Amino acid sequence: SQKIEQNSEALNIQEGKTATLTCNYTNYSPAYLQWYRQDPGRGPVFLLLIRENEKEKRKERLKVTFDTTLKQSLFHITASQPADSATYLCALPGTGFQKLVFGTGTRLLVSP
Amino acid sequence: GAGVSQSPSNKVTEKGKDVELRCDPISGHTALYWYRQRLGQGLEFLIYFQGNSAPDKSGLPSDRFSAERTGESVSTLTIQRTQQEDSAVYLCASSLLRDPFSGNTIYFGEGSWLTVV
Repeated sequence: SQKIEQNSEALNIQEGKTATLTCNYTNYSPAYLQWYRQDPGRGPVFLLLIRENEKEKRKERLKVTFDTTLKQSLFHITASQPADSATYLCALPGTGFQKLVFGTGTRLLVSP
Repeated sequence: GAGVSQSPSNKVTEKGKDVELRCDPISGHTALYWYRQRLGQGLEFLIYFQGNSAPDKSGLPSDRFSAERTGESVSTLTIQRTQQEDSAVYLCASSLLRDPFSGNTIYFGEGSWLTVV
C-alpha cells in the first residue's frame, strides 16, 4: 500500500543553523510533491511544490529536493529562526492524482 | 471569500448526537476536500468533491459520516451518532484544479474542533 513517512520525532536546532526534514514514500510514482507548514491550532499552509522532473526548488530560505530514485524529498530551511518553529508536512497526489495524501509531519523547534 | 471558512470553529457534543460542520470554499475553487486530524496525528483524507463528478468518498471511516456539496460552493460534513473517537479537528480545503499534473495546491480553513463527551 502507499505510504508516506516523516520523522515523528521533533527536530531541535539552534537559530541560524540549517534545518533538514525528510519525507520518504513507497509504492508511489508521484508527478509532484508538496510541502506544507502547520502551526498549532491552525490549518496547514502551502509552502512549495516540486515536480518529478525537477531535482531542486528554492523559495527564499527554503529549498526542496526530490529524488524519485530514492523516493525521497528533503526540505531545508537555511538560517533558521524561532519563527520557523512549526510542523512541516509533505503531501503527494493519491489515486487519480487529485486528492492529496499527507505524511504525519515533523515538528521543528528552533531555539534562540 | 478571501479564504476557506469553516463553522463552527469549536463544537462540544454529547455522545450519540448528530453534528453538522460547514465549509465555505474560496470562490471559484472547483475542488473541495475534508480531512480529519486527531490530536498529535497526521491528516486523514475523508472525502473529495470536484465539480459535478461523483465525490471520492474512499476516506470516510464509517457510514455515520456523510458529506454534501451544493454545486461548487458550500459543503456540509455530517457525523451521526457521534462517538468519542470522532473527537478531532475537521479541516476543509479547496483548490482550483486545472489538471491533475499541474500541482494541486490546496488551501485549508482553520478547522472545526469537535469534542465528543
